[in-house]
Parts: sequence; C-alpha cells; structure tokens
Amino acid sequence: DQQVKQNSPSLSVQEGRISILNCDYTNSMFDYFLWYKKYPAEGPTFLISISSIKDKNEDGRFTVFLNKSAKHLSLHIVPSQPGDSAVYFCAASFYTPLVFGKGTRLSVIA
Amino acid sequence: EAQVTQNPRYLITVTGKKLTVTCSQNMNHEYMSWYRQDPGLGLRQIYYSMNVEVTDKGDVPEGYKVSRKEKRNFPLILESPSPNQTSLYFCASRTGQNTGELFFGEGSRLTVL
Repeated sequence: DQQVKQNSPSLSVQEGRISILNCDYTNSMFDYFLWYKKYPAEGPTFLISISSIKDKNEDGRFTVFLNKSAKHLSLHIVPSQPGDSAVYFCAASFYTPLVFGKGTRLSVIA
Repeated sequence: EAQVTQNPRYLITVTGKKLTVTCSQNMNHEYMSWYRQDPGLGLRQIYYSMNVEVTDKGDVPEGYKVSRKEKRNFPLILESPSPNQTSLYFCASRTGQNTGELFFGEGSRLTVL
C-alpha cells in the first residue's frame, strides 16, 4: 500500500510561471512532511519541510501548503526557473523512517 | 564539509559475487539509511539504523545485509547479488530527531549481470 502518492509523473511549465507539485498521503498519523529535489547523477537534496501544526511554510520561491483534512500537500515554485528542472520527491513521517513518493519530474521550459 | 560519502559510485558485477557498498558520514548523525531508486518506483528504503548496533528492515530488505559497528559507517552488503538488484543506491543520514533533515550521498549505480 503506497502511503505517499505523487500522481503526476511529470510536469512541464514555462519559465516565469508557477509550478505546482502535488502529493497525497493515506496515513493520518504523519506529522512531518518534506520535499526533496533530485538532479541526474546526484543524491536528493532537501528543499523545504512542514510540520503538521502548520498549513503553510515559505522559503524564497518555494512554498509548501498542507491540507490535513484532505491529506494533501503541494509545493509551489514561483517564479519557475530552468534550474528548477529536476525530480521532486515528497516524503512523510511519524516517528518512523521517511516514506517517499515516486517523484514528479518537473521541466521548466525557457 | 558536511557530507555522506558512498563508494563505489559505479560498479558492474556478476550474479553471485559478493559486494559491499560503503557509506560514511562526517556529521555525527545517529540515524543512517539505505535506499534504492528504480524507474517508476521512486525511493524505497532497504535498511535503516537508529544508532550503533541497531538496525531495522525497511520496505525492501531481501537480498541485503547491513551493519553499524561505528556511528559514521553503514555498509550495504549484497552476499549473492542478482540482476534484480541492479539499481541506483543512496545512503542517507540525519540526527536522531524525527524532524531532522535527511542528507543523501551522491549515489552508487550497481549493475548485476
């Protein structure tokens, strides 16, 4: 049973526009959520996180929104830049090892 | 520089030939973990360790072994590799806190013929 789902395998966005990456989870006990970014031939790197006591966390161009009732979180990137082209993984935990989604490949087109 | 170091980065081997992928971190992290990444399957956890001499199975532990004799090292052992273990492997570490950021190594691409 997949506890963290990223239903869009890929997404293409024009440079300067908003990128919205979505993630759904099934375990209501999850209380900490993270987004990781991965470039080819590199390990994933931490991007932004949010605790379940918040519904929004912002860091520069990146904002994560959490909707606990819908068990849904999203990552907004504004404005999108070509360097943002990567695979983005959503992850969640509750006193357990992180559970990752399958990832969404974002392509930002110049 | 804080980092997680894996070796080898690339390896081609044959079925049944034992191999070890080393992982070392210099951040004094309690928690270490191994993941494999496969197309369409994302990152799946193989084994993890909460501290020295404490290891637990992740989602896909079959065919793998690990050990945690020292805090900084967490080697992944394939006693008898098979072609279905051809994958991209990542080691990661973080502090003991559940909310700590997970730091990843650069990955080890393994091909088993």
